[in-house]
Amino acid sequence: QVTLRESGPALVKPTQTLTLTCTFSGFSLSTSGMCVSWIRQPPGKALEWLARIDWDDDKYYSTSLKTRLTISKDTSKNQVVLTMTNMDPVDTATYYCARTTTIFGVVIPFDYWGQGTLVTVSS
Amino acid sequence: DIQMTQSPSTLSASVGDRVTITCRASQSISSWLAWYQQKPGKAPKLLIYKASSLESGVPSRFSGSGSGTEFTLTISSLQPDDFATYYCQQYNSYFTFGGGTKVEIK
Repeated sequence: QVTLRESGPALVKPTQTLTLTCTFSGFSLSTSGMCVSWIRQPPGKALEWLARIDWDDDKYYSTSLKTRLTISKDTSKNQVVLTMTNMDPVDTATYYCARTTTIFGVVIPFDYWGQGTLVTVSS
Repeated sequence: DIQMTQSPSTLSASVGDRVTITCRASQSISSWLAWYQQKPGKAPKLLIYKASSLESGVPSRFSGSGSGTEFTLTISSLQPDDFATYYCQQYNSYFTFGGGTKVEIK
């Protein structure tokens, strides 16, 4: 059974750095074709992809946010960590992590999601 | 970056209606398109991947079609559980979501 769970602070102050952890089970991020992404959703708005890390440690970032994001993984702990610097009130959103997998050569994006964690940026 | 445009943004329909949502990409994405359903306070749920492949466990009333830049999600007979917001997403180059289509009760 595949599960993902996000954890991190519910409230951060402007200019602070946000650190979120995605803890997963039911799959290994050392398996070829496996990837984990972070996606966010401001209240009442659409989804926005932020970053992805692959089984081979390749990393990809949103063009608009790449200077503020760092994604990393700890395969032994089944965790993926996202840091976002210089937080602003516009970054207030629910942050999700989600898995991408490849089956028989076909990429299946975001087949499992965490429940999301709401992060509010306010002084 | 590839932009994804969904239409309509809101759709009013009745149970039993056939519903179609359109998604347009700013450049060709081949068939690298997925559709998700999201209910309030919940994470999105994958419905369709590779434009027309039905995710395991998703009812067959959901179907997807298209390639290149034009795609559609069709619900053949709307059920009470289908009132939700639907998002398309391209994964030809990184990932981009559309703006969403809210399907509400008429």
